[in-house]
Amino acid sequence: AQTVTQSQPEMSVQEAETVTLSCTYDTSESNYYLFWYKQPPSRQMILVIRQEAYKQQNATENRFSVNFQKAAKSFSLKISDSQLGDTAMYFCAFMKHLAAGNKLTFGGGTRVLVKP
Amino acid sequence: NAGVMQNPRHLVRRRGQEARLRCSPMKGHSHVYWYRQLPEEGLKFMVYLQKENIIDESGMPKERFSAEFPKEGPSILRIQQVVRGDSAAYFCASSPRLAGNTDTQYFGPGTRLTVL
Repeated sequence: AQTVTQSQPEMSVQEAETVTLSCTYDTSESNYYLFWYKQPPSRQMILVIRQEAYKQQNATENRFSVNFQKAAKSFSLKISDSQLGDTAMYFCAFMKHLAAGNKLTFGGGTRVLVKP
Repeated sequence: NAGVMQNPRHLVRRRGQEARLRCSPMKGHSHVYWYRQLPEEGLKFMVYLQKENIIDESGMPKERFSAEFPKEGPSILRIQQVVRGDSAAYFCASSPRLAGNTDTQYFGPGTRLTVL
């Protein structure tokens, strides 16, 4: 079974600065997908970014980028130029490729607080 | 294109009552997933359904919980004889297809169940 670990329960960052969230996972699969979801106080789960394990290039979405280290099974999220609206819980998630079910396995989350 | 719809958003039940949670997937999506989020935790997979079929129910408790996705209408997660430990946020997600690929799941706003 896959496990996803987020070792930072909470982080704070000043507005306009950069914060990096860590995520490690354990799997015997060679092909899979990784995701970061954001859950603001409204509790809506919002997709932030997605990475295919077979792609060496790190995914980016505007101010959000990942550092994917497949050998180390690490998938960190960098938020650049932090904005107040980035305040939320952030969840790292794993999904097997070509598996019946495609269920997501989530980490425990990191709470990010952006301070003005 | 409307997102994933869930209702009700909030549901209060007394111990022993039944809870019915509804999920309408995004237009064009035929795959539905249910997840449960206990307070201060990440989401945990419960069940994956396609129209009229349960594909993976490995995360469902063996008793009192059931799910369906009929040919017409929304997917229903049903919890019979609720107990206080069932209090949680229940999220539905949908994706467009499986067919040899892994698709991103898009989440609804969740139903917060409180058992008194």
